[in-house]
Amino acid sequence: QQQVKQSPQSLIVQKGGISIINCAYENTAFDYFPWYQQFPGKGPALLIAIRPDVSEKKEGRFTISFNKSAKQFSLHIMDSQPGDSATYFCAASMGSGGGADGLTFGKGTHLIIQP
Amino acid sequence: NAGVTQTPKFQVLKTGQSMTLQCAQDMNHEYMSWYRQDPGMGLRLIHYSVGAGITDQGEVPNGYNVSRSTTEDFPLRLLSAAPSQTSVYFCASSYSLWTEETQYFGPGTRLLVL
Repeated sequence: QQQVKQSPQSLIVQKGGISIINCAYENTAFDYFPWYQQFPGKGPALLIAIRPDVSEKKEGRFTISFNKSAKQFSLHIMDSQPGDSATYFCAASMGSGGGADGLTFGKGTHLIIQP
Repeated sequence: NAGVTQTPKFQVLKTGQSMTLQCAQDMNHEYMSWYRQDPGMGLRLIHYSVGAGITDQGEVPNGYNVSRSTTEDFPLRLLSAAPSQTSVYFCASSYSLWTEETQYFGPGTRLLVL
């Protein structure tokens, strides 16, 4: 049973456009929702994270929108740049930080920003 | 700080061979974990540790053993490698379970089992 469903699997966006990646979760005990960015040959790195007590969090060009009732959250990348081309993973956990059971990851979205 | 380091970067094994993937962190993090990454599968938790001497199983623990004798090191052992264990393995650490500190991932070990 996949607890975090991520879409789309791949995404192509023109430079300057908005990239949107969506995730849905099933376990209502999840209370920490990070997004990770991974470049080829590298480990994932935290991009931005949100707790369910807020509906939106913005850091620079990256915004998480969170809909607790729908059990959905999304990543928006504004003014997308070629350097944003990477694989993005949403994740969820119970408890602050990593949680005792670790992070449950979505399957990832391969984002390509065309110049 | 070097952060989270993993060795080797790449390894080829034959079915039935054993090996240990090394992971070390120099950030005095209590929580460490191992994930495997397979195409189209995201990352899946193998084992984790909440401190020296304490380990527990994650989502996909079969075929793997871990131990945590020091805060810094968290090796992952494959006792009898199988082709299904071909994957990229990531070690991660965080300061604590109970803070907003996120997990920091190492650069990964790419394992091919023939």
